[in-house]
Amino acid sequence: QKEVEQDPGPLSVPEGAIVSLNCTYSNSAFQYFMWYRQYSRKGPELLMYTYSSGNKEDGRFTAQVDKSSKYISLFIRDSQPSDSATYLCAMRGTSYDKVIFGPGTSLSVIP
Amino acid sequence: GAGVSQTPSNKVTEKGKYVELRCDPISGHTALYWYRQSLGQGPEFLIYFQGTGAADDSGLPNDRFFAVRPEGSVSTLKIQRTERGDSAVYLCASSSRGDTEAFFGQGTRLTVV
Repeated sequence: QKEVEQDPGPLSVPEGAIVSLNCTYSNSAFQYFMWYRQYSRKGPELLMYTYSSGNKEDGRFTAQVDKSSKYISLFIRDSQPSDSATYLCAMRGTSYDKVIFGPGTSLSVIP
Repeated sequence: GAGVSQTPSNKVTEKGKYVELRCDPISGHTALYWYRQSLGQGPEFLIYFQGTGAADDSGLPNDRFFAVRPEGSVSTLKIQRTERGDSAVYLCASSSRGDTEAFFGQGTRLTVV
């Protein structure tokens, strides 16, 4: 079993839809959880980070962490064509640990 | 510059040759990471520096791979006797001490022919 699992997609939704992206993980030591967005031929760009369990909202994006289930989610409201990218979940144990990435979910938002 | 800078952006080399990939982190960031990303995959951890020392090099695949950060700023990833399987995008990221946010560069696309 990989440490971090993520449905690779591709996921295709119409403009304006609510998108739900999810990851599961196996290492209970993970405490910091991140979501990155990666456009084609670009480096990953940090979208959200959360510590431990709970929710965090930033504009159209909401990140949720459920440590008891080892499950994290990213919700995108009112999705836009510019949201079309690969979304990578990532996590680490402490602020000095390496970051472990999921394989990424490819998202297309159709106008 | 304001972000992480990686050079070159693209590198094509022949099998068996030696290559160096350079990373300029964000000024003041003490932590620096190297990752490798193959097509359709998430970034795979290679090595992590805190200051000048390698805090974790458990991701380096074999002894052909080596990285240095002699002055705690710029880092160079060195690959000896390159193989076709080394072809990938090599990403560098940096973060400030105690901060969990890592900022990535655009990557170096290495192609071994």
